[in-house]
Amino acid sequence: EPEVTQTPSHQVTQMGQEVILRCVPISNHLYFYWYRQILGQKVEFLVSFYNNEISEKSEIFDDQFSVERPDGSNFTLKIRSTKLEDSAMYFCASSVPRNTEAFFGQGTRLTVV
Amino acid sequence: SQKIEQNSEALNIQEGKTATLTCNYTNYSPAYLQWYRQDPGRGPVFLLLIRENEKEKRKERLKVTFDTTLKQSLFHITASQPADSATYLCALDNRGTYKYIFGTGTRLKVLA
Repeated sequence: EPEVTQTPSHQVTQMGQEVILRCVPISNHLYFYWYRQILGQKVEFLVSFYNNEISEKSEIFDDQFSVERPDGSNFTLKIRSTKLEDSAMYFCASSVPRNTEAFFGQGTRLTVV
Repeated sequence: SQKIEQNSEALNIQEGKTATLTCNYTNYSPAYLQWYRQDPGRGPVFLLLIRENEKEKRKERLKVTFDTTLKQSLFHITASQPADSATYLCALDNRGTYKYIFGTGTRLKVLA
């Protein structure tokens, strides 16, 4: 069964460092998303991406964040200068058209120390 | 303000009973609503989608209803099993947007 894969599963980084979270969406999907979930809290939307550009972003997705689809398969989230409050589980998701089910990866747990 | 509310307290039910979970929303106009299951430390897994012009959708032991007048969706698991224990999330679009907006989730525990 096709699945969204994310690497790494866990990343520990020093405050102020840059991190890149990687995702391989399902191959025939067209819409890509990043969400985050702070421990014990709800799943929060960060950004959606379609046709090689950002479709929508939340207020959380400030200038410290960027996304890229560097080739035909990877979709990355970069955090330029991490803060303690960026510690969370980050989920990548993809969907075929946007108004159908989203398939989520298993997440990357980011810990900023 | 916009809100999606689910029962914040955990729901404990006896095996074999029907679990009913509620999702209420305010100041959204969704074209569709979805339900996901999330296990601890894992990503959400899609269960069911219902569109605004549908009243009810079923899949095996799962049933979802959608009342756009009440701004509410109900999610039912019949003949519940301990393996159904998880957090259940509702998610909706906001018409014309490119995102799914999630509720806070309800933790369900099915007791053997």
